[in-house]
Amino acid sequence: DGGITQSPKYLFRKEGQNVTLSCEQNLNHDAMYWYRQDPGQGLRLIYYSQIVNDFQKGDIAEGYSVSREKKESFPLTVTSAQKNPTAFYLCASSIGGSNTEAFFGQGTRLTVV
Amino acid sequence: AQSVTQLDSQVPVFEEAPVELRCNYSSSVSVYLFWYVQYPNQGLQLLLKYLSGSTLVKGINGFEAEFNKSQTSFHLRKPSVHISDTAEYFCAVMGAGSYQLTFGKGTKLSVIP
Repeated sequence: DGGITQSPKYLFRKEGQNVTLSCEQNLNHDAMYWYRQDPGQGLRLIYYSQIVNDFQKGDIAEGYSVSREKKESFPLTVTSAQKNPTAFYLCASSIGGSNTEAFFGQGTRLTVV
Repeated sequence: AQSVTQLDSQVPVFEEAPVELRCNYSSSVSVYLFWYVQYPNQGLQLLLKYLSGSTLVKGINGFEAEFNKSQTSFHLRKPSVHISDTAEYFCAVMGAGSYQLTFGKGTKLSVIP
């Protein structure tokens, strides 16, 4: 089945540790996105990538880093510089272009203690 | 830049009653509009989208939305809701030429038996 896989679904980390969230897609999509979701805040864009080896900061990129070495993969690292990392993280992909819909993974809930 | 305002954070409605979830947007360029649904602890699923053409758009699960350019609105409607429609609904906008999908803060629909 084609789709977007995020792993793990739940993740716990100690404060001060970096953690990497996985996102893989087999839809052959060019564009990939990372969003953060907090209660009552909607979805806020962290990073996006339109093509392999290229990515741009979104609205809340501070404390996060990404890479796009393969078309299928767009991992997100939450660094110790992120002040409030506990949140629900959603990865998405699209064919590319502004008139195309985004397809979402099932999300990773990160809890930092 | 674009922005989205979902006017109601929570909407309770009795089963089999009609419902309207309101969405207004602002943009300096032409836009593409989307409604997504999210069930607890899951990713987002596309309900419907407006790209061009007819301003009345029909989606899955009996939902429809009407694009009103003069009022910069894209309200979501369903004539008769079911218990299974209980979820959070997000309106999103993408400006022409942009890769960034901007989301509203969401509306939680609660269907009361």
